[in-house]
Amino acid sequence: GIQVEQSPPDLILQEGANSTLRCNFSDSVNNLQWFHQNPWGQLINLFYIPSGTKQNGRLSATTVATERYSLLYISSSQTTDSGVYFCAVERNLGGTSYGKLTFGQGTILTVHP
Amino acid sequence: KAGVTQTPRYLIKTRGQQVTLSCSPISGHRSVSWYQQTPGQGLQFLFEYFSETQRNKGNFPGRFSGRQFSNSRSEMNVSTLELGDSALYLCASSLGGSGANVLTFGAGSRLTVL
Repeated sequence: GIQVEQSPPDLILQEGANSTLRCNFSDSVNNLQWFHQNPWGQLINLFYIPSGTKQNGRLSATTVATERYSLLYISSSQTTDSGVYFCAVERNLGGTSYGKLTFGQGTILTVHP
Repeated sequence: KAGVTQTPRYLIKTRGQQVTLSCSPISGHRSVSWYQQTPGQGLQFLFEYFSETQRNKGNFPGRFSGRQFSNSRSEMNVSTLELGDSALYLCASSLGGSGANVLTFGAGSRLTVL
């Protein structure tokens, strides 16, 4: 199956710093989502971005599908940005991947005041 | 509009018991997927239901089962609980059409097996 690798595994920042999280995937995908898991466990959608670039406030994401990687940028980080960030992909092979996202292991982000 | 609702949020069971978890999808979403999250294995896909039919299944033993009702609400059941079943169980809903679907997750049900 498809492999998803995220880096770095851990990241510690001071409030106000910028950061870049990376997601590499081993095969072409038709779906890529970035999630933030809050301390209570809920996965919050950040971006649906199988290709191209999107921005939402201090967050932006870029996926270069031909080179099989995606980047999540966090600018001017805040303590509320702390948590685990997951990249997840779907590879639809003739309709057999419905509902199945393959997740990376996540990046644990800690932002200190 | 309301998000994905999972109940119960927390539960404690003992080995050998069974458990049923419930998931109500976003209104209009017909697909419900279930995932298990553990510290060792990360997030793993259990199964997906669409219009009361299981369309996809992950690599879990038969003790894990699910169903979907005509209103798209879904339940998953784990029988003969083992210590290793302690996990956060997440469900997600989507429109479920062909091609890529954006999944929206609920807050999860945290199961502890003693």
